[in-house]
Amino acid sequence: AQTVTQSQPEMSVQEAETVTLSCTYDTSESNYYLFWYKQPPSRQMILVIRQEAYKQQNATENRFSVNFQKAAKSFSLKISDSQLGDTAMYFCASGLQGGSEKLVFGKGTKLTVNP
Amino acid sequence: GAGVSQTPSNKVTEKGKYVELRCDPISGHTALYWYRQSLGQGPEFLIYFQGTGAADDSGLPNDRFFAVRPEGSVSTLKIQRTERGDSAVYLCASSPATGPYEQYFGPGTRLTVT
Repeated sequence: AQTVTQSQPEMSVQEAETVTLSCTYDTSESNYYLFWYKQPPSRQMILVIRQEAYKQQNATENRFSVNFQKAAKSFSLKISDSQLGDTAMYFCASGLQGGSEKLVFGKGTKLTVNP
Repeated sequence: GAGVSQTPSNKVTEKGKYVELRCDPISGHTALYWYRQSLGQGPEFLIYFQGTGAADDSGLPNDRFFAVRPEGSVSTLKIQRTERGDSAVYLCASSPATGPYEQYFGPGTRLTVT
């Protein structure tokens, strides 16, 4: 069974600074994907970034990057130059390739960007 | 193009009543998922459709929950004899293919059982 753990229920950061959100996961499978989703108060989940487990290179999307440590089963999200619009819940999730394709989510981290 | 839509956005019902929640996926997306998100938690998987068939319904909590996707597009999640513990946000997502590729989520239906 897959599990995803986010140990930081809440975090805050000043506008324009950098923040890192932590995530650890557990799976016995070798082919899997990892995701970070953002959920603003509107409830709509939005994909932030995705990482294929077979790729060693860390994924980046503009101000968002991940630190994927496969042996440690760690998948942290770094947000650079934080903006007020980054304020949201952030969920880490894992999904298996070739399985039911369902995502397993962590409990989330509430990020507040302060002006 | 239009994203995933869900109706109603909010539903209040009395304990014991029957409810239906509707999901319209992105046009052409073959995969459709239902998740349930309780307060302060991440979404939890309920059921996954590939086309018209339920490929994985292992997340449905009990036989009061049922979902259909008769024409491979719109899906309806049906809850019989609702209980207060069913109160949650029900999220629908769709994906263009299996992968897992990015799942595109709808805004959810907030169900409140009084």
